[in-house]
Amino acid sequence: DAGVTQSPTHLIKTRGQHVTLRCSPISGHKSVSWYQQVLGQGPQFIFQYYEKEERGRGNFPDRFSARQFPNYSSELNVNALLLGDSALYLCASSFASILETQYFGPGTRLLVL
Amino acid sequence: AQKITQTQPGMFVQEKEAVTLDCTYDTSDPSYGLFWYKQPSSGEMIFLIYQGSYDQQNATEGRYSLNFQKARKSANLVISASQLGDSAMYFCAMSSPNQAGTALIFGKGTTLSVSS
Repeated sequence: DAGVTQSPTHLIKTRGQHVTLRCSPISGHKSVSWYQQVLGQGPQFIFQYYEKEERGRGNFPDRFSARQFPNYSSELNVNALLLGDSALYLCASSFASILETQYFGPGTRLLVL
Repeated sequence: AQKITQTQPGMFVQEKEAVTLDCTYDTSDPSYGLFWYKQPSSGEMIFLIYQGSYDQQNATEGRYSLNFQKARKSANLVISASQLGDSAMYFCAMSSPNQAGTALIFGKGTTLSVSS
């Protein structure tokens, strides 16, 4: 079975632009979470969605938003990009939302110039 | 607040030797999960092992075992018979259902280098 997939793999944007990252979970998984990992740090939680509803939000500004579609895939949107948004964005899926192992995709590397 | 601490920025080991990567955690929740992930230079986070807070026995998965000491709030990863392919960054993480969205909280990671 296919694992978590993310697109695109790499992205270069300039300050002030908008970006959309996409994630498809493992088949049968209903929960998707997004994490931001800056160089040299552990991932930081951004959002969790379960059954198309937001179940949690990390300490990120309102420029960050996400949604989950009926097929459980998800999009992460970031508006008004800042240089500090440059990071590896990881998507993870799990069957449920509580104490379930999260399986990660390969990530999208975003560079903001 | 929940927190994961990994105090070893880097560890060096020779092939076939065992290595222990340290992890301590802080939470006031009685129910939580502890995870270890491996992140090669490619970036993908690979799940290694899981330990639930109510599990009586230490978790094992092949060459990986988790030394869970609840009273000390530690969850160290033991890798037996290290291989060159084990060279990567290793993250300890915690999930707590009382936390908003049951997110994973990660430590800063430990870089493991295996030499021949």
